[in-house]
Amino acid sequence: KNEVEQSPQNLTAQEGEFITINCSYSVGISALHWLQQHPGGGIVSLFMLSSGKKKHGRLIATINIQEKHSSLHITASHPRDSAVYICAVSSTQGAQKLVFGQGTRLTINP
Amino acid sequence: EPEVTQTPSHQVTQMGQEVILRCVPISNHLYFYWYRQILGQKVEFLVSFYNNEISEKSEIFDDQFSVERPDGSNFTLKIRSTKLEDSAMYFCASRRGGQETQYFGPGTRLLVL
Repeated sequence: KNEVEQSPQNLTAQEGEFITINCSYSVGISALHWLQQHPGGGIVSLFMLSSGKKKHGRLIATINIQEKHSSLHITASHPRDSAVYICAVSSTQGAQKLVFGQGTRLTINP
Repeated sequence: EPEVTQTPSHQVTQMGQEVILRCVPISNHLYFYWYRQILGQKVEFLVSFYNNEISEKSEIFDDQFSVERPDGSNFTLKIRSTKLEDSAMYFCASRRGGQETQYFGPGTRLLVL
């Protein structure tokens, strides 16, 4: 059974700070996903990674397959980045369902 | 940009009643999923659907649950006799063949009284 662990569970920072959220998983995966959940509940896919690093605007996601670890970084954080960030993995078998971490609640204060 | 839609956005029902949650996946997607999130907990997989049949289901998805794709566009989740513990946000997701990114609907918040 694949478990996905995120840290920290809650993170509060000041506007402009560099943010790092970490994710570890326990078994082989097909891909790792970073998602953003808005206060209203909607879920948006940010990144899908199977190796290396991806960048989109101020967001950077990295993955180390050997260490079964991924990080999501936010540069020059802004209050609008406040949300829950969720790491999820898709398995190599079956329908590639997503197995979710518990999420990291990020609050950026102005 | 195409998006997954879900109706209703909120539903309140009495314990023991049947509910049907509806989803319209993105039109060229082939794989469909239902997930749920109980308040304060992580998102959990319920069921996946491909080629007009269930491809995988979780332990949560017992005989009280069913899914259907009654036409070319809708994807429904039925709960036959709701329990208090079915109260949750239910998300539909879909993806294209050959791609792993799943696109989520806005969710249906179900409250069972």
